Amino acid sequence: DVKVTQSSRYLVKRTGEKVFLECVQDMDHENMFWYRQDPGLGLRLIYFSYDVKMKEKGDIPEGYSVSREKKERFSLILESASTNQTSMYLCASSLWTGSYGYTFGSGTRLTVV
Amino acid sequence: RKEVEQDPGPFNVPEGATVAFNCTYSNSASQSFFWYRQDCRKEPKLLMSVYSSGNEDGRFTAQLNRASQYISLLIRDSKLSDSATYLCVVIRDSSYKLIFGSGTRLLVRP
Repeated sequence: DVKVTQSSRYLVKRTGEKVFLECVQDMDHENMFWYRQDPGLGLRLIYFSYDVKMKEKGDIPEGYSVSREKKERFSLILESASTNQTSMYLCASSLWTGSYGYTFGSGTRLTVV
Repeated sequence: RKEVEQDPGPFNVPEGATVAFNCTYSNSASQSFFWYRQDCRKEPKLLMSVYSSGNEDGRFTAQLNRASQYISLLIRDSKLSDSATYLCVVIRDSSYKLIFGSGTRLLVRP
């Protein structure tokens, strides 16, 4: 089974801090994604990457950046955390076709105070 | 208008009931369709893909109507363990990006 591992289950950070969320997958998937999930809004795509060093903005990229230096690792960076970035962050990966669906990590619940 | 719309529920049904969820999508170029299941405070997990011809997996049946742009999920003989949020998901054209509905919450009571 594909495993997608997110480095932290819970994080509490202060406003203005730079925050790194790490995601690693072990099945050589080409595509990796970062979503955030908020009550009533569902999952929204922040950024995705279809290859090493390649990235594309999703629907809500403002306030975030990403890094993919290795195929198995996709990092989400909050340049200066704000309270409206308090959310559940979910990383996912898929084969390049996407037709087999995505596998998600268990999520990081980030609280910005 | 959201790209993928679902009735948020909750659907509160007794064990053994049959329950159906519908989902509509607005982008006619959507190519792939899925149902995901998400338990409370857990990540979404793929329940089943949805094919034009309809497909069945045990007690679960998924249907796709491209002309009307809706997807359905039927659960027969509901179990307590089916209680979860069911997410309707489409892939927008050839981008391989999943677009999620907000989910429909199902509560199965004894």
